Amino acid sequence: GQNIDQPTEMTATEGAIVQINCTYQTSGFNGLFWYQQHAGEAPTFLSYNVLDGLEEKGRFSSFLSRSKGYSYLLLKELQMKDSASYLCAAMDSNYQLIWGAGTKLIIKP
Amino acid sequence: GAVVSQHPSRVICKSGTSVKIECRSLDFQATTMFWYRQFPKKSLMLMATSNEGSKATYEQGVEKDKFLINHASLTLSTLTVTSAHPEDSSFYICSARGPGDREEQYFGPGTRLTVT
Repeated sequence: GQNIDQPTEMTATEGAIVQINCTYQTSGFNGLFWYQQHAGEAPTFLSYNVLDGLEEKGRFSSFLSRSKGYSYLLLKELQMKDSASYLCAAMDSNYQLIWGAGTKLIIKP
Repeated sequence: GAVVSQHPSRVICKSGTSVKIECRSLDFQATTMFWYRQFPKKSLMLMATSNEGSKATYEQGVEKDKFLINHASLTLSTLTVTSAHPEDSSFYICSARGPGDREEQYFGPGTRLTVT
């Protein structure tokens, strides 16, 4: 079956770095997405990885290892506004997104 | 980036009535639109995939007669919740994908439905 695993909740301190991990099992693979979702709002796109390696975009970076079925989202210089849920989603061979349950990130001052 | 709108953003209705939610792609043609439902503190649950001009493909467990989806044009898809019940109360989100865009989905802002 198809499955996405990510931690339910993480806590970090303002100004610090946090890494949110995601493992996936899909029928075929056409990329790994990370979305940010604030409470009561729709998800917003953060990153897309289809090749192995690290993609850096400002304070956020995303890593992919296809052989391990593993990705992580790295957030640097954490700000209070980064408190949100972070959703990992893998695209299968039919170009459909398989969603993880999301990781709620709590930032403390 | 591409913009997707949803209307209404919030709606309260009584049990037994029907509610229509509109999803529009404002600056691109969306050949495929997706409807999601999200329960509190849960991930997105795909309800159905709709391609312009054809019938929607519903996910297992989603009642097609209860959640009517119409994708009549390349910029508009509608979800109608028929004979709504309190358990249908949820956050409904649509997303759209353009004809050449295999990867990214553009999300609407969501509609909060409360059935009393």
